[in-house]
Order: sequence, then C-alpha cells, then structure tokens
Amino acid sequence: DAGVIQSPRHEVTEMGQEVTLRCKPISGHNSLFWYRQTMMRGLELLIYFNNNVPIDDSGMPEDRFSAKMPNASFSTLKIQPSEPRDSAVYFCASSFGGSSGNTIYFGEGSWLTVV
Amino acid sequence: GENVEQHPSTLSVQEGDSAVIKCTYSDSASNYFPWYKQELGKRPQLIIDIRSNVGEKKDQRIAVTLNKTAKHFSLHITETQPEDSAVYFCAAAYSGAGSYQLTFGKGTKLSVIP
Repeated sequence: DAGVIQSPRHEVTEMGQEVTLRCKPISGHNSLFWYRQTMMRGLELLIYFNNNVPIDDSGMPEDRFSAKMPNASFSTLKIQPSEPRDSAVYFCASSFGGSSGNTIYFGEGSWLTVV
Repeated sequence: GENVEQHPSTLSVQEGDSAVIKCTYSDSASNYFPWYKQELGKRPQLIIDIRSNVGEKKDQRIAVTLNKTAKHFSLHITETQPEDSAVYFCAAAYSGAGSYQLTFGKGTKLSVIP
C-alpha cells in the first residue's frame, strides 16, 4: 500500500486566499484524522472522521476551517480565508477501527505557509 | 479532556547510553498509550505502544512501562545510536464504543552524540 497520501506537499499562499488540502487514507481504513503541527502547540487534533462521518471537530480552531469526507477514499481540509497564523504542517492520518486503539498511520504532511 | 505532559523537552545522551522519556496523563479512562518517532521533516511513525492491561512491553532496544495508578508511562531506549536522534511523542487515548480520543505530548527532542 502507498500509505496515506496528502497533497499538496508544500503550499505558499497569500493571506486571504483559500487553501484546500487533500488526503487519501490507506485503503480499508475507516477512521481519518486531520492534525496540525506547530512548534508552539505541538500536534493538535483538528477533526476525526469514522466511516466518513465527522465524530469530533472540537479541535477545529474557528469557522474559517472546514473538513469534508465525501467517500471512504478522500478527505479535504479547507481554510478560507487563510491567515499567517495558519502556517503549520497539516497531517492527515488514518487507522482501521479508530475506536479500539489501533495504529494511526500518518501521511507525509502538507507544509503550509501563509504570507 | 485528556492532558498529556511529557518530559524532558530536550535530551542529549552519548552514543551507547540509555535514554528515558516520561509522560503523565490526566484521564484515568485512557487505556492506550502509543509512542511515535518523528525525524526531521518526516511524518510521525509508531515505534511501540502499550495497552492498559499490560505493565511493560519490550521490542529490541525499546521498552515502555505503564503505571496506571500513578497515571504515568515511560519510554526507555537502551544502547542508543545516532539514528535514534529524533523527536519522540507520547500519546494517550481512550477507546470506547463510538469514541476515540488521542492526545499527544509536546515531544522530546533526543540527540545522540557519537
């Protein structure tokens, strides 16, 4: 398996622009997670889907952030409008059976810089 | 919610020495404790995990211990090598019907000096 696939790997955008990050989980996995990593705050869970349904979005910082999972093989994280403080590495991760403490596999990350 | 504290934030050891990283958690319901290793510019990768029904687990040079009463768990790396240099994250999760919460510590930057 190719693992969790994220795109783009790197994105530089101007403040106010819309940013869309994409994720393809490992085939057969039914749980998908979006994390944000910064030096100051470490790894933060933004949102968690189970069987394509958002289960917990309490980590989404504000209304500018939204996430969707239209099918089992694709998810997006959108920031609109983007701000410089959104600059971070955004990781998508997936697992099989998220409710049973199974291994979470991370993608390579999307490195976002908002200028 | 769960709160995971990790210490130290940085750790330097001589090659061949042991390294110990400690974590505490706040939610007594947490029952799954994975450790991830993240090399510079790379993704976090699971290196070992332990569940609440076990007190210790070993995998070659890596071991993890869990004290549920005290709500703390530790990662032990023996005979450290330069390739062990990375940031290590502990995490605590509660897994139950329809619910999954995984909270990470802030990370420990381990440097192994040749």
